[in-house]
Amino acid sequence: EIVLTQSPATLSLSPGERATLSCRASQTISSYVAWYQQKPGQAPRLLIYDASNRATGIPARFSGSGSGTDFTLTISSLEPEDFAVYYCQQRSNWPRTFGQGTKVEIK
Amino acid sequence: QLQLQESGPGLVKPSETLSLTCTVSGGPISSVSYYWGWVRQPPGKGLEWMGSIHSRGYTYDNPSLKSRVTLSVDTSKNQFSLKLYSVTAADTAVYYCALGGGFRGWFDPWGQGTLVTVSS
Repeated sequence: EIVLTQSPATLSLSPGERATLSCRASQTISSYVAWYQQKPGQAPRLLIYDASNRATGIPARFSGSGSGTDFTLTISSLEPEDFAVYYCQQRSNWPRTFGQGTKVEIK
Repeated sequence: QLQLQESGPGLVKPSETLSLTCTVSGGPISSVSYYWGWVRQPPGKGLEWMGSIHSRGYTYDNPSLKSRVTLSVDTSKNQFSLKLYSVTAADTAVYYCALGGGFRGWFDPWGQGTLVTVSS
């Protein structure tokens, strides 16, 4: 099973600041990473697939990068609605696995 | 635009079977050559993929669930279903159905989720 480790666990930032979230895989997974945003009481929402492709309707301030074992989700300038928990997920192997999440909170 | 909705009991007794159904609207479940999946989230914790099924019945499941999972699909009702056997309190979670988990791999869209509590 591929383990995804996200860091940091919590990111405290102010609106307008840049957020950089990390996801590290226990083995190489090419570019097969997706990123999701989850707000309290809501289902996750797909943001990025295959490391760098924005899903339909996702604002351009969200971007993804990386390949191999190290991946990054960047939010260029935080909007109030971006404060949430973010998960990475791999599709390189079965079982599909998720990281433990990074919470982006208002500083 | 596809929409998914979970349904099933919100309370299950320990050692019994958890049964959930996901109803798909906005298009035939067999119209896309993708897999339909289940993901769960214990209260306050992260996401766990449970398994995914193709409209033709091919399945992938998570070995961590130790063969306690059965997935099925009913194309006539545009639904797919999850059964989780021999549940314990550790199976208390919000259960989501979603399009994905097969070869495409990612999950989109998702149902709103349904909380299932395992308790006597």
